[in-house]
Amino acid sequence: AQKVTQAQTEISVVEKEDVTLDCVYETRDTTYYLFWYKQPPSGELVFLIRRNSFDEQNEISGRYSWNFQKSTSSFNFTITASQVVDSAVYFCALNIGWGSNYKLTFGKGTLLTVNP
Amino acid sequence: EAQVTQNPRYLITVTGKKLTVTCSQNMNHEYMSWYRQDPGLGLRQIYYSMNVEVTDKGDVPEGYKVSRKEKRNFPLILESPSPNQTSLYFCASRREGLNEQFFGPGTRLTVL
Repeated sequence: AQKVTQAQTEISVVEKEDVTLDCVYETRDTTYYLFWYKQPPSGELVFLIRRNSFDEQNEISGRYSWNFQKSTSSFNFTITASQVVDSAVYFCALNIGWGSNYKLTFGKGTLLTVNP
Repeated sequence: EAQVTQNPRYLITVTGKKLTVTCSQNMNHEYMSWYRQDPGLGLRQIYYSMNVEVTDKGDVPEGYKVSRKEKRNFPLILESPSPNQTSLYFCASRREGLNEQFFGPGTRLTVL
């Protein structure tokens, strides 16, 4: 069975601070996909990134960066120079792709509050 | 515009009154699913459908029904809603062979 753990329930930072959201996953499959979603106060789910298990390259997109380490089964997300608009719940998710029902297994989410 | 739509977006109802939350996608996706989101639990899959007339249970199917008579629609039916079904519901779809799911905007349901 798959499992995603986001140990940080809530994080509060001051604007312009860097913040890292942790995600640890468990799966026995060698082929899997990892995702991050953002859920702003308005409630919709915003797709941020997808990473497959064969690609351990870190990714940077503007102020966002992701660190994927298979050795520690982690897929951490860093926001550099945080802004108030980054305040949201962030979900890490996992699925094992084809051969399954493509179900996304979500972590419980981390509520990030960026204070001005 | 490619999208997944859900209706209604907000619903307050009473225990036992049957309701249907509709989900429709315009991307010709084979796969559709329903999730519910509860505080401290993240999102959990309720039901999914691999194609027309093919549906199966997810992790938390009790109290829900679905149908897939057309490719674009995947309604979620609560025959006799109870307060523990108060939740935020998301519909999602994806194309066969691709691994990105498109989520609808969510339906916030309150059962009194």
